Parts: sequence; structure tokens; C-alpha cells
Amino acid sequence: DIMMTQSPLSVAVTPGESASISCRSSKSLLHSNGITYLSWYLQRPEKSPQLLIYQISNLASGVSDRFSGSGSGTDFTLKISKVETEDVGIYYCVQFLEVPLTFGSGTKLEIK
Amino acid sequence: EVQLVESGGGLVQPGRSLKLSCVASGFTFSNYGMNWIRQAPGKGLEWVAYISSGSSYIYYAETVKGRFTISRDNAKNTLYLQMTSLRSEDTALYYCARHYYDGTYYYFDYWGQGVMVTVSS
Repeated sequence: DIMMTQSPLSVAVTPGESASISCRSSKSLLHSNGITYLSWYLQRPEKSPQLLIYQISNLASGVSDRFSGSGSGTDFTLKISKVETEDVGIYYCVQFLEVPLTFGSGTKLEIK
Repeated sequence: EVQLVESGGGLVQPGRSLKLSCVASGFTFSNYGMNWIRQAPGKGLEWVAYISSGSSYIYYAETVKGRFTISRDNAKNTLYLQMTSLRSEDTALYYCARHYYDGTYYYFDYWGQGVMVTVSS
């Protein structure tokens, strides 16, 4: 199974500042078709997860452009610019390269 | 508007069975693969099972293989998860999630609100 490791476990951010979350996979997520199957989700308190980014850096429909993704192979980063109170929640990375599909353990974002 | 509504959860004793349902609306259900994903209380997300649009491809997490069965009825726009030999570690909020695939990209694009399953004596 592909292990997904996120860091930090939690981050506290002042509104208006930026935050970065790291996700590392135990195997390259680059498919032979050239696509890297790594997505990011946000689970706001008491809500279902919502898609933020797919294939490393593609912003999902309706998602603020304050969110951006980068990386390649086994190392990926989600950056949140100008953090707002509505960004509070737990962020998960997930790989879609192979089954079993696996999630990172999550990074909790809090507001200072 | 895409909607996924889960039902069938509840309190069940260890070793017993339970069947979850997820009714889909707002899209052509038969065109999409579907997933069950669970979240134990205070824990992260765990993928449980996937079924392709026509039920030809089915995959399970090792933690549920042999005990859980995913199925679907495209005529009823409904996804199911039959859970048997339930264990305390199966206690979780169970989400159904649509599997988006356009020939290139994969992701879960819509999630239900979740249904709680509690396994306890």
C-alpha cells in the first residue's frame, strides 16, 4: 500500500498570513500516462470533505485561488495564501494512483 | 444539483450485519464509479470500497475484504454497502462519494453527509 505522510499535524495561522502543508508518498504517484494522481481535500468542522485540488495543482471548481498545489513524484505541498477564518479545518492529501486509495493523516489548520 | 444521501446506519452488536444505502440524484448515476469512505470518531479518512459504473470493477480495503460487499442498482440510483461480521473498529461515519473520471483525472468530487455506524454490545 502507498503510505501518505502529512506534516505538520497542526498549524496555527494569523489571518492574512500564509500556510503550507506537506504531503509525502511512499511511492511516486506519477502514472505512466504522465498524470500524477494526488489530490487535496478540506474537511471543515462537522462537514463532509470537499475537493480543493486534483492532479497536484488543478484548482477544483469554485475553490478560491488562495489555494495552490505544487510538487512532483513523492513530495507535494498545499499552500494557502492570505488565510481566512473559513479555511479552518483538516486538510487531507490522497493518492489515486492505485488501490487501496490512501489518505494522509490530516493537518489541522487553526486561526491564531 | 448533485446529491448523495446515505442511510441505514445505527447501533449494532459485534458480529452482526448492517446494510447502508446511498441514494444519488442530480446526475446520471450509471455513468459514475462510486466509493465508500469512512471516518472513525476523531480520526482521519479511510477509503473502504469502490465500484465502477457498471459494477465490472470492485475493490476493497484489506480491513474490510471478505466482510463488506459494495453493490449498486443503477435503475434505483442507489449504492449499497453490505457489512457483515462487524467489529468495534468498524465504528465510523460512512460517506459515499462519487468517483470522477474523465479519461484523464481521478478524484472524489461529491460526498454525502455521512451515516453513522456504531458497533458495540
